[in-house]
Amino acid sequence: GQQVMQIPQYQHVQEGEDFTTYCNSSTTLSNIQWYKQRPGGHPVFLIQLVKSGEVKKQKRLTFQFGEAKKNSSLHITATQTTDVGTYFCAVPSNTGKLIFGQGTTLQVKP
Amino acid sequence: NAGVMQNPRHLVRRRGQEARLRCSPMKGHSHVYWYRQLPEEGLKFMVYLQKENIIDESGMPKERFSAEFPKEGPSILRIQQVVRGDSAAYFCASSLTRPGQGAQPQHFGDGTRLSIL
Repeated sequence: GQQVMQIPQYQHVQEGEDFTTYCNSSTTLSNIQWYKQRPGGHPVFLIQLVKSGEVKKQKRLTFQFGEAKKNSSLHITATQTTDVGTYFCAVPSNTGKLIFGQGTTLQVKP
Repeated sequence: NAGVMQNPRHLVRRRGQEARLRCSPMKGHSHVYWYRQLPEEGLKFMVYLQKENIIDESGMPKERFSAEFPKEGPSILRIQQVVRGDSAAYFCASSLTRPGQGAQPQHFGDGTRLSIL
C-alpha cells in the first residue's frame, strides 16, 4: 500500500534555531496535508498543498510541495517553545483515509 | 461551534471486557474516520464510515473490532474481549466531504485513551 516516509523522527533545538521535517513518497501525490499534535493532544490540521512546487507560509512556518509532487517539507524559522509537538504529514487516499507519516517530534530548549 | 466530540476521554478495562468508544462528528459532517495511536507512534487508520455505511475498513483487525455510524447518534468503535495490546489512544476525525471530491481537512476529537489492566 501507499506509504510516506518522514524524517527525522526526533529533533531537539535551542529556542531561536530553525527546524525542518521532510516527507517522501515513492509515488506521485495528488496533495499532502500537514498536522501538528501537541503532547497529550490531538492532531490539528495546519495546511494542504496541492500544486507542484507550491510554497505556503503561515507566520514562521513554510510548507513546500516538491516539483514532482513526491516530497514535501515543513520549515519553522526561529523556533519558540510553543512550537513543541509532533508534526505529521498525511496523504489522503482515494478511499478517504489519511495515511500518516511517522511524525517528527520537536523539542525546543528555552 | 462544537468540534468533534469523543467520550470517554479515558477508559480503563480489564482483559476480556468490552470497550465502547463514542464519537460525534462536527455539525454538518457526515464522514467519520477512526485512527489508533500507540505511544510514541504515528496514527494508523482503522475505518472510514459515512452515515449507516462502512466505506473502508482496511485498517480494522479482523476479529474483536467493529464500528458503526447509525442514522441517529454517534459513531461507535467497539472492541470485544480486550487484550493488553489494545491499549492506545483512539482518535476520531470527521470531514465535510470525502477526499477526492476536493480534499478537505479532517478535524480530530480529543481522543479516548484506553488502558487495559
